[in-house]
Amino acid sequence: NAGVMQNPRHLVRRRGQEARLRCSPMKGHSHVYWYRQLPEEGLKFMVYLQKENIIDESGMPKERFSAEFPKEGPSILRIQQVVRGDSAAYFCASSRDRGPGETQYFGPGTRLLVL
Amino acid sequence: DQQVKQNSPSLSVQEGRISILNCDYTNSMFDYFLWYKKYPAEGPTFLISISSIKDKNEDGRFTVFLNKSAKHLSLHIVPSQPGDSAVYFCAATNNGNTGKLIFGQGTTLQVKP
Repeated sequence: NAGVMQNPRHLVRRRGQEARLRCSPMKGHSHVYWYRQLPEEGLKFMVYLQKENIIDESGMPKERFSAEFPKEGPSILRIQQVVRGDSAAYFCASSRDRGPGETQYFGPGTRLLVL
Repeated sequence: DQQVKQNSPSLSVQEGRISILNCDYTNSMFDYFLWYKKYPAEGPTFLISISSIKDKNEDGRFTVFLNKSAKHLSLHIVPSQPGDSAVYFCAATNNGNTGKLIFGQGTTLQVKP
């Protein structure tokens, strides 16, 4: 009865490297959302995916960030050529469906530190 | 453009008393509201929600009130317990859109024994 799983829990990268964050939704959930929390701020929406489709990427930075949710396997948030400003906690949430009353359940987050 | 605002960064209450956390929003298209609790180094945990067609929803010690005309909602915790000490986030969504959540900045609640 696992909840939303994210790995790694902590990730350290040097400027210019790539960061890959993984999210496995709850069993039976096919909707995945990614959020970012900068220090001292609330969570900000980044992207919403269903299996093999990006539904809403209105919160994604235009460059260096990409996300996917393949037919098999976890959802991946990729950040290329990381900069210090990318240091944040990245949370994934999943829901069974989309619509009124569908609750999003969150994973424990990946804390990215860019040196 | 902060569409969901939690104007109190922190709140301190005595164990056994009522905790009231407030949240204001600006977008009249929001039709579903949620409260999440977050402990350090963990992800947000869903607490309680309310649809815009209701003005109150209760679940055990937690009650959420919605005042649509004032674009205001509040979370009441009674009685408060030390284990309730955490950061509380208010979130809103327009489910007719994509269901993405718009979060407030959070309020840190401390319940003193």
